[in-house]
Amino acid sequence: EIVLTQSPGTLSLSPGDRAALSCRASQSVSSTYLAWYQQKPGLAPRLLIYGASSRATGIPDRFRGTGTGTDFTLTISRLEPEDFAVYYCQHYGSSPSITFGQGTRLENK
Amino acid sequence: QVHLVQSGGEVKKPGASVKVSCKASGYTFTGYGLSWVRQAPGQGLEWLGWISAYTGTTNYAQKFQGRVTMTTDTSTSTAFMELRSLRSDDTAVFYCARDRFAYGSGKDALDFWGQGTMVTVSS
Repeated sequence: EIVLTQSPGTLSLSPGDRAALSCRASQSVSSTYLAWYQQKPGLAPRLLIYGASSRATGIPDRFRGTGTGTDFTLTISRLEPEDFAVYYCQHYGSSPSITFGQGTRLENK
Repeated sequence: QVHLVQSGGEVKKPGASVKVSCKASGYTFTGYGLSWVRQAPGQGLEWLGWISAYTGTTNYAQKFQGRVTMTTDTSTSTAFMELRSLRSDDTAVFYCARDRFAYGSGKDALDFWGQGTMVTVSS
């Protein structure tokens, strides 16, 4: 089973800052099967990025996904107040079909 | 406009079963698969399994094999997830979520999510 480890656990930044969130897989995975989600308190997750680097419909271009192999990064170029949330990476290419990282909390400093 | 509307919260005793529904609208229900994901209070996301709404094929996470059953009713565009032999650590919000691509195999990102159903297991 592929294990996804996200770091840091919590990231404290301010609006306008650049955020870089890491997701490391326990073995090499195809970038085709790597996604990122944003979740705000009390709400369902929202798909941001699929295929490691493709933005989902309606996602602003300040969100950028990169990476290959075992190391993937979600970068938010200039934080907006609404970007403070928890972010999860997800792998969806093996058995069991879907695994999630434990999440990174992005908090307003 | 795609919507997934889930049934209301449930309170169950240990050992009981719960069945959560997820009614889809705004797209061709039989064209997509659906996953079920849960989130314990203050915790991360955990995938339970997937069902194809076009073939009925299921794929369950090993952890839940034998304890979960996923079904669909195509006449009402509704998916169901039943979890049996509930324990206190099954207390969580359960979500249904749709595959991004039609006619996939469950290996897909999830682009639309239900609002979540809180299941509380307590004696």
